[in-house]
Amino acid sequence: AAGVIQSPRHLIKEKRETATLKCYPIPRHDTVYWYQQGPGQDPQFLISFYEKMQSDKGSIPDRFSAQQFSDYHSELNMSSLELGDSALYFCASSHRDRDYEQYFGPGTRLTVT
Amino acid sequence: AQTVTQSQPEMSVQEAETVTLSCTYDTSENNYYLFWYKQPPSRQMILVIRQEAYKQQNATENRFSVNFQKAAKSFSLKISDSQLGDTAMYFCAFMRGSGATNKLIFGTGTLLAVQP
Repeated sequence: AAGVIQSPRHLIKEKRETATLKCYPIPRHDTVYWYQQGPGQDPQFLISFYEKMQSDKGSIPDRFSAQQFSDYHSELNMSSLELGDSALYFCASSHRDRDYEQYFGPGTRLTVT
Repeated sequence: AQTVTQSQPEMSVQEAETVTLSCTYDTSENNYYLFWYKQPPSRQMILVIRQEAYKQQNATENRFSVNFQKAAKSFSLKISDSQLGDTAMYFCAFMRGSGATNKLIFGTGTLLAVQP
């Protein structure tokens, strides 16, 4: 079965640079969630989209923005990167009829140097 | 606001034995879901088991079962016949019921080591 795809899997950036993380949900899934997991921490919710509209927002810095496109893929844009942004970024997807089932992608490991 | 607490940062169990991981949560909601996720060294988040709050029967998935005590707001995970592949970080998570925001709220995790 198709799973959630995230790209790139690894990304190394320098401070003050920008990064774009991409997420391709499971086919027919209409909702996408972004989570950030810092070293030794639990995943923290950043933002979610349903049918291309932002549905919820967590502790997402103003330097970050995200959107969901017409094909339901989503992109997380991160600007003015800081060392503290180094983390594993997960995307998860679900379908509105079974919204309690979130399927996670493999994550993108972002390292800011 | 909802909170999830895992009071056991690390646990160890011998292969083939049984281990129980603890989780408590706090919410004023009546309709919600509880989950246990496993995160092995690969860092992939894998759903282990799900419990709907409206169901009194405890969920079971093969060697994994939960003890859901709604009044006590407790949701423990029992792993029977532990296997080396069960070594991982285990996160307890909460989600409000359908119609509300469906973000997952995670506990801080319990690192389980299965010893041969």
